[in-house]
Amino acid sequence: DAGITQSPRYKITETGRQVTLMCHQTWSHSYMFWYRQDLGHGLRLIYYSAAADITDKGEVPDGYVVSRSKTENFPLTLESATRSQTSVYFCASSETGQGAGEQYFGPGTRLTVT
Amino acid sequence: SQQGEEDPQALSIQEGENATMNCSYKTSINNLQWYRQNSGRGLVHLILIRSNEREKHSGRLRVTLDTSKKSSSLLITASRAADTASYFCATDPRSDAGNMLTFGGGTRLMVKP
Repeated sequence: DAGITQSPRYKITETGRQVTLMCHQTWSHSYMFWYRQDLGHGLRLIYYSAAADITDKGEVPDGYVVSRSKTENFPLTLESATRSQTSVYFCASSETGQGAGEQYFGPGTRLTVT
Repeated sequence: SQQGEEDPQALSIQEGENATMNCSYKTSINNLQWYRQNSGRGLVHLILIRSNEREKHSGRLRVTLDTSKKSSSLLITASRAADTASYFCATDPRSDAGNMLTFGGGTRLMVKP
């Protein structure tokens, strides 16, 4: 399917477990982003990537790790999940740099940490 | 920290009425964007307005930008039930810290049929 997809769509995990959220885009966009969405905070940027093998921190990177070995994939890993990481996670991609143009969002992953 | 703040937080109107949402931000920007989010879905880009533009139209959408007041408004004319969604402004601030797109908390719009 064309576009940007995320998997899984829903995930329940326990505190301390490692969790990886997947993001895949078919447009060959250079830029990819991970956001979390929480009530009262809107969307906050976790990490972003300008190209394969280039990543940088966003506003709330602590507790998360990213990698980008291929242009089309941008996985987000929670190395040791905490309850505060319960949230909805959105992946996005863009042809141009941060903020320079529109971003295309995936459907989101709802993560619950118990 | 949120660069943009939307007002009101929630808005309920009848179908056919106009809906106006406002966004205020704190620092100078390169551009400002508006996004829509339907319940349980990802965000969809609506419109981008650059700092040197004052008004922009797209179909039933009209966006204004006042950089002197650091504010923007989104007007949806002749609203439809399908316009029911959350609307977010996102700013691309001019900053030495990096070119990060930051989102406000959103306005929840309900259009009653």
